Amino acid sequence: DTAVSQTPKYLVTQMGNDKSIKCEQNLGHDTMYWYKQDSKKFLKIMFSYNNKELIINETVPNRFSPKSPDKAHLNLHINSLELGDSAVYFCASSPPGREGTGELFFGEGSRLTVL
Amino acid sequence: AQSVTQLDSQVPVFEEAPVELRCNYSSSVSVYLFWYVQYPNQGLQLLLKYLSGSTLVKGINGFEAEFNKSQTSFHLRKPSVHISDTAEYFCAVMVPGGKLIFGQGTELSVKP
Repeated sequence: DTAVSQTPKYLVTQMGNDKSIKCEQNLGHDTMYWYKQDSKKFLKIMFSYNNKELIINETVPNRFSPKSPDKAHLNLHINSLELGDSAVYFCASSPPGREGTGELFFGEGSRLTVL
Repeated sequence: AQSVTQLDSQVPVFEEAPVELRCNYSSSVSVYLFWYVQYPNQGLQLLLKYLSGSTLVKGINGFEAEFNKSQTSFHLRKPSVHISDTAEYFCAVMVPGGKLIFGQGTELSVKP
């Protein structure tokens, strides 16, 4: 009964391919996020959705497209993968009314390797 | 712009010794500050947070942090560490709009 679950955990693919990472939370949270952690462990927010509505969209190439079919799911689709996209991608969620308090619940991450 | 600087990239320490992980922030407005821990091959989990009130904040696993406004610091401390505390620790600040800005991380390595 994992709270925030991501699939797949590992993904190895060739440059130019398109891939998706899925995220689901069973905590009843309204807000979900995607973060990218690079090889130096630096973490940066990419997107945030509140109840299926996009609220944060950082300076991310438009090859990255998040999709939230419902408030329990936030998927990340990446087109035309590049070497620099190699990273660990973390999904997170935060409880209703506490989006502004920084308390995030993270998934275990999806390690993407682009060859 | 608000930012976070973790002053040590790696902190090696022996088991049962005290430890301090340093964090400084820059902000021109009131801040919310956080420490998160990332165990190997896992996601981050919240250790503790400062939103307002008492400047000494206690978190899980025996960790605590002190908010020092004059020194713009939010250092994390534990009086006696265990092998199981080996992990990456991230300091973070919340900026207007609800984004968390993370520091570069500090790798705590506890040796027997």
